[in-house]
Amino acid sequence: EAGVTQSPTHLIKTRGQQATLRCSPISGHTSVYWYQQALGLGLQFLLWYDEGEERNRGNFPPRFSGRQFPNYSSELNVNALELEDSALYLCACSLVKAVRDEQFFGPGTRLTVL
Amino acid sequence: AQSVSQHNHHVILSEAASLELGCNYSYGGTVNLFWYVQYPGQHLQLLLKYFSGDPLVKGIKGFEAEFIKSKFSFNLRKPSVQWSDTAEYFCAVTAYYGGSQGNLIFGKGTKLSVKP
Repeated sequence: EAGVTQSPTHLIKTRGQQATLRCSPISGHTSVYWYQQALGLGLQFLLWYDEGEERNRGNFPPRFSGRQFPNYSSELNVNALELEDSALYLCACSLVKAVRDEQFFGPGTRLTVL
Repeated sequence: AQSVSQHNHHVILSEAASLELGCNYSYGGTVNLFWYVQYPGQHLQLLLKYFSGDPLVKGIKGFEAEFIKSKFSFNLRKPSVQWSDTAEYFCAVTAYYGGSQGNLIFGKGTKLSVKP
């Protein structure tokens, strides 16, 4: 069974630009979560999508947005990039209909904002 | 708001020493508890999880954790660490939203360095 995949592996942008990160969950997993792992801040929850809808979002500004496609893959968009957006962005998936389930993580996209 | 706190930022041990990493969470409802590990250059992997039942949970690579509900704690233990256990360890909790589990809330992580 293929794991969670994310693309690109690395992304370098300049301040003010937009970044698009992509995630493909494990087959059959309908929930996709996005987390930001910034230096010194640990792992912070960004967004949760299930069945194409945003179910919850963390304490991040609206310039962080995303969507989930009919095949359950997901995209994270970060507009008007700021230097502090430099971080590892992790995608995770789970079978939300299973009340008790773990989240499976992808390798992440390293975003560097110059 | 829910939160998770990990007591130690960086722990340095010699091989064969015993390990205990502290984790406390704040949430009064039903929770699922997890420990994840991130080895250098690798992605997050699940070490162990607690949903219900026996509060002593055994995970991979000889790790175990004990859920103490009265103390809102879920501490990670290993009797004898190896150099290969050098990694960052994250405690996490997930709460229920409308009968379904939600996103994870992580502690800030504990870096473990094991000296050979």
